[in-house]
Amino acid sequence: QVILQESGPGLVKPSETLSLTCVVSGFPITSGYYWGWIRQPPGKGLEWIGSMSHGGTTYHNPSLKSRVTTSVDTSKNQFSLNLSSVTAADMAVYYCARHGPRTAWGLRWLQISYDYWGQGTLVTVSS
Amino acid sequence: QSVLTQPPSVSGAPGQRVTISCTGSSSNIGARFDVHWYQQLPGTAPKLLIYGDNNRPSGVPDRFSGSTSGTSASLAITGLQPEDEADYYCQSYDTSLSGSVVFGGGTKLTVL
Repeated sequence: QVILQESGPGLVKPSETLSLTCVVSGFPITSGYYWGWIRQPPGKGLEWIGSMSHGGTTYHNPSLKSRVTTSVDTSKNQFSLNLSSVTAADMAVYYCARHGPRTAWGLRWLQISYDYWGQGTLVTVSS
Repeated sequence: QSVLTQPPSVSGAPGQRVTISCTGSSSNIGARFDVHWYQQLPGTAPKLLIYGDNNRPSGVPDRFSGSTSGTSASLAITGLQPEDEADYYCQSYDTSLSGSVVFGGGTKLTVL
């Protein structure tokens, strides 16, 4: 059973950096699958933030690219998201997820669905 | 504005068949990239419903099916049940701007 759990501050001040971590249980993050971040503003649809491999290959949403940093800590079986210079528009429920069940290589991983999701964490941006 | 366009809402009575459309373009669905569908119940994370156009993960009833044609995809739900009331999202890949995962804006299904 693959379980993902997001964690991080629920409140971030405008212009500061949002930092979230996703701990993966029941499945080694080094297994070759890709991992991703998706967000959902209150009452709105899903938006892809980025995807990454355990080896450090990352792909980010072009609209967020300059503000997004993602990383993987294989020793803790977790991956992280940093989003800098946040504004009210960044307020959302942030989900981490695994690309699957099919596998791929390189950029083709972005064509793969998300088969396991975390429960999501709400991040509010306010001073 | 989402890259993939879905109707904001659809509805149907129990037992009926409903379809949800997902309209894209030549840089995503029209380029034959896979379409995936998710069901999101209120207050929960999205759940994978259909992957690779028309494949169901284990545990998803065969009342749910997907199809694609040209630059559009559809999710069909037969034998509508009250528990099907949820938001549904399509997902694909888009080649513009160096390549991106793209989602539809979502469709609220109401079971009358």
